[in-house]
Amino acid sequence: GENVEQHPSTLSVQEGDSAVIKCTYSDSASNYFPWYKQELGKRPQLIIDIRSNVGEKKDQRIAVTLNKTAKHFSLHITETQPEDSAVYFCAASKGGFQKLVFGTGTRLLVSP
Amino acid sequence: NAGVTQTPKFRVLKTGQSMTLLCAQDMNHEYMYWYRQDPGMGLRLIHYSVGEGTTAKGEVPDGYNVSRLKKQNFLLGLESAAPSQTSVYFCASSRPDRPSYEQYFGPGTRLTVT
Repeated sequence: GENVEQHPSTLSVQEGDSAVIKCTYSDSASNYFPWYKQELGKRPQLIIDIRSNVGEKKDQRIAVTLNKTAKHFSLHITETQPEDSAVYFCAASKGGFQKLVFGTGTRLLVSP
Repeated sequence: NAGVTQTPKFRVLKTGQSMTLLCAQDMNHEYMYWYRQDPGMGLRLIHYSVGEGTTAKGEVPDGYNVSRLKKQNFLLGLESAAPSQTSVYFCASSRPDRPSYEQYFGPGTRLTVT
């Protein structure tokens, strides 16, 4: 089955810096790659996703890139703000009913 | 709309006791899911449902049962709780098709088994 590895497990940056979180997946048939943000004590929420027919997607300060050949995808956050502090999860699934396999999460801390 | 709700929010069980977690959604979503979240392990899929009356196993189904008698509800049962089932449980729901595959999560249930 699918296996998703996520790095780093923790990431500390200064406000205004950029942050990059990387994930690799094992199943070349996976074609949907979402990123979820979970604030402390809250529920996970989708922040951005990408499908395998697209190499990059941006939404304001957030972008995701996908390299299908290498089977890895990354989350890029620019101009980080303290409210970006949270745990970020990547995930992968094959088509159909979005049976997601999640990475183990990255705790991002943005210091003022 | 309330979105996805879960009952209860917290529960403490003794080993061997049983309980049912209730998930309800008011978005008319076809798909519903149960996950468990443990420190350092992310979210793992327990069971899921692609429609009323249907259920299927996810990554970690052992020790759990589910039912989807109504489209808006998805129940997770623990017949004989074990300490290894101490976790935070999240329910989620989603549409089956485009434009969005987003899964909407409930607020979670923190379960402790002593």
